[in-house]
Amino acid sequence: GDSVTQMEGPVTLSEEAFLTINCTYTATGYPSLFWYVQYPGEGLQLLLKATKADDKGSNKGFEATYRKETTSFHLEKGSVQVSDSAVYFCALSGGNQGAQKLVFGQGTRLTINP
Amino acid sequence: NAGVMQNPRHLVRRRGQEARLRCSPMKGHSHVYWYRQLPEEGLKFMVYLQKENIIDESGMPKERFSAEFPKEGPSILRIQQVVRGDSAAYFCASSPSIAGGRETQYFGPGTRLLVL
Repeated sequence: GDSVTQMEGPVTLSEEAFLTINCTYTATGYPSLFWYVQYPGEGLQLLLKATKADDKGSNKGFEATYRKETTSFHLEKGSVQVSDSAVYFCALSGGNQGAQKLVFGQGTRLTINP
Repeated sequence: NAGVMQNPRHLVRRRGQEARLRCSPMKGHSHVYWYRQLPEEGLKFMVYLQKENIIDESGMPKERFSAEFPKEGPSILRIQQVVRGDSAAYFCASSPSIAGGRETQYFGPGTRLLVL
């Protein structure tokens, strides 16, 4: 069935460092890909999404490009801030295994030190 | 424009009791999804509902769990005879349509269930 694999955490960086969180997926069909962020004690917020191959999603300085050839959707940010500390989830929907439900990776906890 | 509302935010139950979790979708959204997040894990899909219909319940445990989304009122996730393994955060999400899976799902703040 459809699945998402994320880089294992936790990840700890210094402020202004470059961030990459790897995400790869397995799906039949043509899924849409998402990154969600979860702050402590809160629900998930959509960070960015891409609905077809080669699309780039971007928001708040974060970017991810839908790469069908490598089945990847890596999250990047050029200069992280302390306020970016959170758990990041990669997810897909619209694959062959039940179009509407989101399939999540296990999450990557990010801590940014000042 | 209010977001997805869930209540209660925290719920404590003793083993064998019933837990009822409520979710009011965003205004104009007719699709509701429930997910469960076990400690230090990702979210797992449980059930997808439209008004008065269960569309996909492939992630629901076969026993003790049920969900509904009536014509009027919030969606309810009901857990009967709770056990300690049911302790988790339960998140509701809603979307205005389905658009082949491309539509964004908007999440509520979650209900954190603790079973003693």
